[in-house]
Amino acid sequence: DTVMTQSPDSLAVSLGERATINCKSSQSVLTSSYNKNYLAWYQQKAGQPPKLLIYWASTRESGVPDRFSGSGSGTDFTLTISSLQAEDVAVYYCQQYYSTPRTFGGGTKVEIK
Amino acid sequence: QITLKESGPTLVKPTQTLTLTCTFSGFSLSTSGVGVGWIRQPPGKALEWLAFIYWDDDKRYSPSLKSRLTITKDTSKNQVVLTMTNMDPVDTATYYCAHRKESGLDAFDIWGQGTLVTVSS
Repeated sequence: DTVMTQSPDSLAVSLGERATINCKSSQSVLTSSYNKNYLAWYQQKAGQPPKLLIYWASTRESGVPDRFSGSGSGTDFTLTISSLQAEDVAVYYCQQYYSTPRTFGGGTKVEIK
Repeated sequence: QITLKESGPTLVKPTQTLTLTCTFSGFSLSTSGVGVGWIRQPPGKALEWLAFIYWDDDKRYSPSLKSRLTITKDTSKNQVVLTMTNMDPVDTATYYCAHRKESGLDAFDIWGQGTLVTVSS
């Protein structure tokens, strides 16, 4: 299995400040044939199912605010919230869809400082 | 508009078989490129990918659970069924079904609300 390791487990950020979440995969999720990273990011608010934010490591899903951005390639990825809003309090997960099983990271809880 | 809804028992006993049904609308599982997956989440814990079925009846399973899982589809009823045998208390979780975003992209763009399954005698 490809293991997805997220860091930190939790972080507290002031409103309007930047939040950065890291995700590392145990194997590369970059396909050379298409030069695409098979990596997605989800947001899960309390009591709700996850919501797709980012796919192909850096492509925002329709309707997702542009304060959310994804970057990275190969095995190291980052989700950045450029200016944290109150509604961004949630747990964030990365997922690789390069190999089976399509594993998720352990999650990063984002709170307001 | 794509929607998915999970249904099944809320309580099962250890060693029993769990059968969950995902009833969906807004797409057809006979359309090329379409897929539906199952994911679970124990209370307070992370997401775990379980199984996936594609429009062409190709099926993928989590290797650690493969011996216990079966995923099937009924395109006429717009349903995907997941069965898990030999249930144990550690299988207590919210079980979600979700829609594959598009062909070649096995991320999930639409999720059901989930159904909490408790395993207890």
